[in-house]
Amino acid sequence: DIQMTQSPSSLSASVGDRVTITCRASQDIKTYLNWYQQKPGTAPKLLIYDASRLQSGAPSRFSGSGSGTDFTLSITGLLPEDRATYYCQQSYNTPRTTFGQGTRLEIK
Amino acid sequence: EVRLAESGGGLVKPGGSLRLSCEGSGFIFSSYNMYWVRQAPGKGLEWVSSISSGSDFIYYADSVRGRFTISRDNTKNSLFLQMNNLRDEDSALYYCAREVGTSPHRFDPWGQGTLVIVSS
Repeated sequence: DIQMTQSPSSLSASVGDRVTITCRASQDIKTYLNWYQQKPGTAPKLLIYDASRLQSGAPSRFSGSGSGTDFTLSITGLLPEDRATYYCQQSYNTPRTTFGQGTRLEIK
Repeated sequence: EVRLAESGGGLVKPGGSLRLSCEGSGFIFSSYNMYWVRQAPGKGLEWVSSISSGSDFIYYADSVRGRFTISRDNTKNSLFLQMNNLRDEDSALYYCAREVGTSPHRFDPWGQGTLVIVSS
């Protein structure tokens, strides 16, 4: 299985900050990388796909980058409603997809 | 509106069985591959099983192979997960998700989840 490792596991930031979350794959997955946002008590929601493509309806303050084994999710101009856990997912080995362990984002 | 709704979760003893259902609406259910993903309390996301649109291709995670069976009924826009010989570690919120896109595939949307608790 392809292992996905996110860092940090949690972080705290202030409204208006720029936040970056990283995801590393255990092998080259090209750009077969998706990001999901999961707010407390709700299902995950697709944010970014193909490493950098913004899902329709997702706010433009979210962006993704990377290819190969290293990827980042950035949030520019943090808002209170961005409090959530963020997961990366590799779909290179579909259907045997795997997720990162998640990054919990708190707002100060 | 595209929607997925799971049902069938509950409390079951170790070794017991449970059948989860997921009903899709707002889209042509028979055109999409479907997945089950679970999330243990306070934990991350784990792929469980997937089934192609016409049920030709079925896959399981090693942790559930031989105990869980995925199926679908496209005439009823429904996805199922038959879970047998349940273990404590199967306790989780079980989500169904629709696979969209070509490469890369991604999940959109997800259902709200149904909770399975395995405990004596």
